[in-house]
Amino acid sequence: AQRVTQPEKLLSVFKGAPVELKCNYSYSGSPELFWYVQYSRQRLQLLLRHISRESIKGFTADLNKGETSFHLKKPFAQEEDSAMYYCAADQGGKLIFGQGTELSVKP
Amino acid sequence: GAGVSQSPSNKVTEKGKDVELRCDPISGHTALYWYRQSLGQGLEFLIYFQGNSAPDKSGLPSDRFSAERTGGSVSTLTIQRTQQEDSAVYLCASSLGGILQGSPLHFGNGTRLTVT
Repeated sequence: AQRVTQPEKLLSVFKGAPVELKCNYSYSGSPELFWYVQYSRQRLQLLLRHISRESIKGFTADLNKGETSFHLKKPFAQEEDSAMYYCAADQGGKLIFGQGTELSVKP
Repeated sequence: GAGVSQSPSNKVTEKGKDVELRCDPISGHTALYWYRQSLGQGLEFLIYFQGNSAPDKSGLPSDRFSAERTGGSVSTLTIQRTQQEDSAVYLCASSLGGILQGSPLHFGNGTRLTVT
């Protein structure tokens, strides 16, 4: 079955350290991929999408078709980056989400 | 402007009762999605609407679950004969043109359903 996998439930880093949140997908072809974020007591919202090739709040994500991965990276984590992060893939008009990774950035 | 609005924000119901969850999308958004968020399960797709029609109902867990959308706006998700395993946060999202049109999803705050 087509799915999105985020292997880490919790990722804890210190402020200023690099962070990488892993995401793998098992889709054929080239699905549209996204990262969504949910900060404490806020709504789930779009962080970035593959097709835009943008950097949002210092985060970037590169699609690696060989490894079928779309890992989210930031070179220097900030405390305000602490949140729940979800990787998602477009499947015929609907978004399929991974299980999410909670990022905790400690001072 | 106003975002996606869901009501009620919290619902506690007894096992076996029916519940209705409501979603008001952002005005003008043609696509509407329902997801379920359970502890440790991530976001589980339930159903999505394009206008008033539902091209994909594949995520509905059982025939106790149904959803409708009228006037291309408000949507209701109905769960009949609720079970304890239905306890979760039910999230609604809307999108200007839908994923296929490149429009992002805008989520509501969700309805937390607890079945006792």
